[in-house]
Amino acid sequence: NAGVMQNPRHLVRRRGQEARLRCSPMKGHSHVYWYRQLPEEGLKFMVYLQKENIIDESGMPKERFSAEFPKEGPSILRIQQVVRGDSAAYFCASSPPRRDYGYTFGSGTRLTVV
Amino acid sequence: AQKVTQAQTEISVVEKEDVTLDCVYETRDTTYYLFWYKQPPSGELVFLIRRNSFDEQNEISGRYSWNFQKSTSSFNFTITASQVVDSAVYFCALSDYGGSQGNLIFGKGTKLSVKP
Repeated sequence: NAGVMQNPRHLVRRRGQEARLRCSPMKGHSHVYWYRQLPEEGLKFMVYLQKENIIDESGMPKERFSAEFPKEGPSILRIQQVVRGDSAAYFCASSPPRRDYGYTFGSGTRLTVV
Repeated sequence: AQKVTQAQTEISVVEKEDVTLDCVYETRDTTYYLFWYKQPPSGELVFLIRRNSFDEQNEISGRYSWNFQKSTSSFNFTITASQVVDSAVYFCALSDYGGSQGNLIFGKGTKLSVKP
């Protein structure tokens, strides 16, 4: 039973390019969360999705960031026109419908903007 | 508002010493969960423990133990006889139970260095 799969593991983008980060939740998990970890910081919640629905995006920057979790396929976190300040580790977590069963995190995608 | 404070930014110990990592939380919810995660130098997040607010029993798992005290809103983590492999950043986190968000609120982490 594979865990939460994130790819790519490392991503380098030039300023102004787009970054696409993918997250495949654990089998049976229908809830996906994205978190961002800036250097020397803890993780900050960005967005919570269920299939085809954004439940809570209160932690998402207002511009350039979007997320989706389609009916088929992985969840995608998309960052348009990246800037140096977007350099961070982005973690995805998934949980089953009953969230008290706990979260499982992926290994993260480390985005470097040059 | 929910908040998690890990006052110790960095701790350095010598192998075989015991070390306690502090975690203090704030929440108005009566039902919530507390977590500890380990982030080794390789960067992934490793789940260590989850404890719900109704279960104040202390827990021991090998060299790891956790002390949950609702009266002081603390959920401290102790490593007994530390080893070099314990070197990592440790995060404490809080989540409301069944709330509309259910996301985790993380502390800023404590970096533990265990020297041989």
